[in-house]
Amino acid sequence: GAVVSQHPSWVICKSGTSVKIECRSLDFQATTMFWYRQFPKQSLMLMATSNEGSKATYEQGVEKDKFLINHASLTLSTLTVTSAHPEDSSFYICSARGGREADTQYFGPGTRLTVL
Amino acid sequence: GQNIDQPTEMTATEGAIVQINCTYQTSGFNGLFWYQQHAGEAPTFLSYNVLDGLEEKGRFSSFLSRSKGYSYLLLKELQMKDSASYLCAVMDSNYQLIWGAGTKLIIKP
Repeated sequence: GAVVSQHPSWVICKSGTSVKIECRSLDFQATTMFWYRQFPKQSLMLMATSNEGSKATYEQGVEKDKFLINHASLTLSTLTVTSAHPEDSSFYICSARGGREADTQYFGPGTRLTVL
Repeated sequence: GQNIDQPTEMTATEGAIVQINCTYQTSGFNGLFWYQQHAGEAPTFLSYNVLDGLEEKGRFSSFLSRSKGYSYLLLKELQMKDSASYLCAVMDSNYQLIWGAGTKLIIKP
């Protein structure tokens, strides 16, 4: 149990385009979903926390107009990187919390974004 | 401020035992997590401790002492596939996870 999927697993796009990443909890209802970013050889950085049906809470320094988060249901959250630039190239990972082990975050496999 | 400390890197030999320590100072405590992260992959959940003591799961065990703000992850019978980063994270009073920087474990034959 507690499986989280992410789509796509990797994406290459041109500078200035927008990219949408989906995160789904497959076998449990996620009360809370989290979006992280990780640059090579660096720690996980929490970008935002979202609860179903409410606006996401963004960490300091994360632009909410650039990283749009929509948590439309208890099993789906999306992150849209708007007007992506090469410096946005990173490994984006979602996690979900809920279900039987309510406090544990389970991670999706991540999405590797490369902006040319 | 909130702080999680763990060693940056450790090296161990295949078949041996290694202990990865984690100390923390957080505003409140609602549990401590250990995750494993292989290079280029997302973290996977290993263990959760909320009460003092040792939790054993196969080759992996995790220990917690809340009074000392201390935990360790113990890996036995090390295998080459155990080479990864091990992340310690503490859930604070707001139920937010505070992450350590991770310990890169290198296993040598």
